[in-house]
Amino acid sequence: LAKTTQPISMDSYEGQEVNITCSHNNIATNDYITWYQQFPSQGPRFIIQGYKTKVTNEVASLFIPADRKSSTLSLPRVSLSDTAVYYCLVVPSNSGYALNFGKGTSLLVTP
Amino acid sequence: GAGVSQSPSNKVTEKGKDVELRCDPISGHTALYWYRQSLGQGLEFLIYFQGNSAPDKSGLPSDRFSAERTGGSVSTLTIQRTQQEDSAVYLCASSYDRAANTEAFFGQGTRLTVV
Repeated sequence: LAKTTQPISMDSYEGQEVNITCSHNNIATNDYITWYQQFPSQGPRFIIQGYKTKVTNEVASLFIPADRKSSTLSLPRVSLSDTAVYYCLVVPSNSGYALNFGKGTSLLVTP
Repeated sequence: GAGVSQSPSNKVTEKGKDVELRCDPISGHTALYWYRQSLGQGLEFLIYFQGNSAPDKSGLPSDRFSAERTGGSVSTLTIQRTQQEDSAVYLCASSYDRAANTEAFFGQGTRLTVV
């Protein structure tokens, strides 16, 4: 199973772009990279998912280099409401679900 | 319903008592998952259902924990003879199927406190 490593915490000011990088050196060929967001007292919420190159949606962008050993979640122009924990997951294709979410990256956005 | 519903939202129980936690997944979702989140920690996988079957129970921490799913819908997680270390938020998620590129939708969780 691919293990992920991401920063424990990050700070940002409102309006800045935030990039959270996750390493997953032993990712398998058919595994997907998925990011979730969790606010206090709520369940995680899906943000974005990708396999390779770049994926963009209305919330974020996900950059995945050719070797797929890392990925970067990019949040453009963050606001105070983006303060949350962000989890990077490698989802095995042979199971379809992540066994553990790890501790994620706790992002604090301040004015 | 519009989302995954869990009940109760909070449960306080005495050590040694049994508790049942309920999860109503999104209609039509065949895959259902239970996770546990202790204070300040990430999510820990407990069990996965495909339909009414549980192909993966590997995350259940002890034989005091069990879960079932009926009618391919509602699931119940039962903890017998609760211990203080069982205190945590229990999260349920469902997805349309179990493919790796399928989004999982989480409920708000049940906060269990064992006193």
